[in-house]
This record gives sequence, structure tokens and C-alpha cells, in this order.
Amino acid sequence: ILNVEQSPQSLHVQEGDSTNFTCSFPSSNFYALHWYRWETAKSPEALFVMTLNGDEKKKGRISATLNTKEGYSYLYIKGSQPEDSATYLCAPSRGGGNKLTFGTGTQLKVEL
Amino acid sequence: DGGITQSPKYLFRKEGQNVTLSCEQNLNHDAMYWYRQDPGQGLRLIYYSQIVNDFQKGDIAEGYSVSREKKESFPLTVTSAQKNPTAFYLCASSIDSGQGIYEQYFGPGTRLTVT
Repeated sequence: ILNVEQSPQSLHVQEGDSTNFTCSFPSSNFYALHWYRWETAKSPEALFVMTLNGDEKKKGRISATLNTKEGYSYLYIKGSQPEDSATYLCAPSRGGGNKLTFGTGTQLKVEL
Repeated sequence: DGGITQSPKYLFRKEGQNVTLSCEQNLNHDAMYWYRQDPGQGLRLIYYSQIVNDFQKGDIAEGYSVSREKKESFPLTVTSAQKNPTAFYLCASSIDSGQGIYEQYFGPGTRLTVT
């Protein structure tokens, strides 16, 4: 079983703060890295999928980077808003690509 | 609307009984998955199916069984052999979005409580 670590486990920030989380994974046999956002009482939804070393993706105030050689990805949120409150999951895929291994997630709470 | 449905949202069973969780998708996705979530743990893969009439064990398949007779449906049976069945169960489906990248779409989940 792939060892995927996310840090921090939880995070409380004030509205307007910028924040970032880390996802670490084994770099061997890497295929793609997925980020998901999971809001309470909703289904996880895909944010980004990245494949190449040095990839950067952006969606509004959220962006992510990928380092496949050292096995980590960062997710950044600029100017956090209460609606950003959710658990953020990362999941690398290996080999054939359609089997994901999820980290335990970073739970973000943005307070007014 | 296209999506994945799981029913029921909450399910209660007595220990020793088998129980089947429903998962249906109308996204025309080939692949479907079952995950389990426990407090403090990431989503763990139970079973997955890449095509009709074919499925593979995931990381924690013991005590579970699945079938994939139709593309739209991937029911999960939690058998009495599963030692700790109480958990939140998520179903997902995916399609190759290009170059072997499979973005997964999730259902709303079923919370199973066994007493």
C-alpha cells in the first residue's frame, strides 16, 4: 500500500489569510497526482490532476505545484474565504493510472 | 442531471447480517470504485471495476463482495465476515480523460452502522 502523507492534519485560518498544505508520496512509479476538495455533507470533487514534474495548476484563488522527483505537491489558497472550508485530499496514482491512494487529508476551517 | 447515486444515506444492521449498498451512475463511465472511510484515515479502496463483468480487489477487500453486471451499477455487499463494518462508504466512477488520467467522480456516500 502506497504511503501518502498530508500535513498539517488540520488548519484554522482567518478570512483573508493565505495558506498552503503539503502532500508527500513515494516518487517511484509515479503516474499522476490528484487533489480533491471535500466539503461537509457533500461529495469529494476534483480540483486538479497533475502529471509532470514542475506542473503548476490554478483555479481561481487555489493553485498547486508538483515535484515528482522528490515526491511532494503543495496546494496554496490565496485570500482564504469561509467557503474554502473543507478537507483537501491528495491522491497519487501509480502504474496504469486509474487506481488512487488517498492521503488522510488536511481539514481547513476559515473563520470570519 | 448526470451523476452518481448511493442509497440509502444511512443504513443500520444487526451484526451477522449481510447488507448490500447500492451505487448507480449515469455518466457512462467504464470504471467504478468502492472506498471506505474511517475516522483519522484516508479513503481506502475496497474493490474496483474497470469494465462490466470484471472487478479487482483493492487494498481492503476481505469481508466484502461486489458484482458488475451492468455498466451503470456496482453494488457492494458487506458480509458478516467483515470484522469492523461500521464506516462511511463512498462509491466513485471514472473515465479516461486522456493519456491514462482517470478523474474520479464521487457519490454522496452511505453511512453504515452495525450493532
